[in-house]
Amino acid sequence: DGGITQSPKYLFRKEGQNVTLSCEQNLNHDAMYWYRQDPGQGLRLIYYSQIVNDFQKGDIAEGYSVSREKKESFPLTVTSAQKNPTAFYLCASSRRDRGYEQYFGPGTRLTVT
Amino acid sequence: GQNIDQPTEMTATEGAIVQINCTYQTSGFNGLFWYQQHAGEAPTFLSYNVLDGLEEKGRFSSFLSRSKGYSYLLLKELQMKDSASYLCAVRENNQGGKLIFGQGTELSVKP
Repeated sequence: DGGITQSPKYLFRKEGQNVTLSCEQNLNHDAMYWYRQDPGQGLRLIYYSQIVNDFQKGDIAEGYSVSREKKESFPLTVTSAQKNPTAFYLCASSRRDRGYEQYFGPGTRLTVT
Repeated sequence: GQNIDQPTEMTATEGAIVQINCTYQTSGFNGLFWYQQHAGEAPTFLSYNVLDGLEEKGRFSSFLSRSKGYSYLLLKELQMKDSASYLCAVRENNQGGKLIFGQGTELSVKP
């Protein structure tokens, strides 16, 4: 079965530590995205990548970094520079037909204390 | 600038019909999506509109008016499992697959 996987589902870190969230897809999608969701709010775009070895900043990229070395993988690093890292992080991917419909992974809930 | 507005929350009764509105202002429009999200879970795709008119898919329908910058999601024969957040998202011209999401509408279905 094709899909998007994110791991782990829950992640706890101490303030000042960098942490990397995993996102893998086997849908053969070109584009991948990272969103952040805070309680009672919509999704805000952190970074996106439309092709391997290329990515663009979204609306809230500060304190985050990404890489896209393989089509299937788009890991997100939450650095210590991110002031409020505790949130629900969602990864998505899309192909270039059907209006770029995005398919989402199950999400990672990050708690930083 | 970009702006997408949806009501924050709505309540409806099981078996009834509910309409969730979305208005948008973008620099260039290239499609509107509706997603459903249950608490703590990933959003799932419901519908896509790029031309004016109504798209029907079972109990769910979505309408678009590009001239008015307006869309609605219509849910018929409401079931308790329809209690969820409904997200409106717009794709702009020349932005690839990038979507701009509204804050979401929290729908509560009561018996």
